[in-house]
Amino acid sequence: NAGVMQNPRHLVRRRGQEARLRCSPMKGHSHVYWYRQLPEEGLKFMVYLQKENIIDESGMPKERFSAEFPKEGPSILRIQQVVRGDSAAYFCASSIGTGKLINEKLFFGSGTQLSVL
Amino acid sequence: AQSVTQLGSHVSVSEGALVLLRCNYSSSVPPYLFWYVQYPNQGLQLLLKYTTGATLVKGINGFEAEFKKSETSFHLTKPSAHMSDAAEYFCAVLIYNQGGKLIFGQGTELSVKP
Repeated sequence: NAGVMQNPRHLVRRRGQEARLRCSPMKGHSHVYWYRQLPEEGLKFMVYLQKENIIDESGMPKERFSAEFPKEGPSILRIQQVVRGDSAAYFCASSIGTGKLINEKLFFGSGTQLSVL
Repeated sequence: AQSVTQLGSHVSVSEGALVLLRCNYSSSVPPYLFWYVQYPNQGLQLLLKYTTGATLVKGINGFEAEFKKSETSFHLTKPSAHMSDAAEYFCAVLIYNQGGKLIFGQGTELSVKP
């Protein structure tokens, strides 16, 4: 049973380009979370999705960032017109999704390191 | 609002020595608290968690943490450090009424000297 898979592991973009980060949750998991880790900081919540629904996007920047989790396929975090400040490690986590995370476990992927030149 | 503060961004101990990583939280409701470990180039792994019940929680790899409500603390300890414990450790609190959003501390990097 593969864990949470994120790709690419490293992504280099020039300012103004688009970045697409992919996350395949663990088999049987229907809830996905995206977190961002800036240098010297802890992880910051960005967005929480279920299949085809955004549940909580309170941590997403208002512009340029979007996320989706389609019925089929991986969850995608999309950053348009990247800037140097977007350089960070982006982590995806998944859970089964009973609605009671205290009884569950979040499984994290290895992250995508985005570098903006 | 809930928040987490980890005291000390870097902690260095000798192999065999006690490990103590400090975490204080702020929460207006009974907190659910977690410790995660991140090894280089890997995702986070759950070490242990406190939800309700016994305030001393045992986790993997010999780690344990004690929930102290009066001190609003959830410090992580291990009696004897091993070289393989070198990693970054994150304390987190769960906002459980929002489907499961974790608020993380800024992390503590643990170094273990031979």
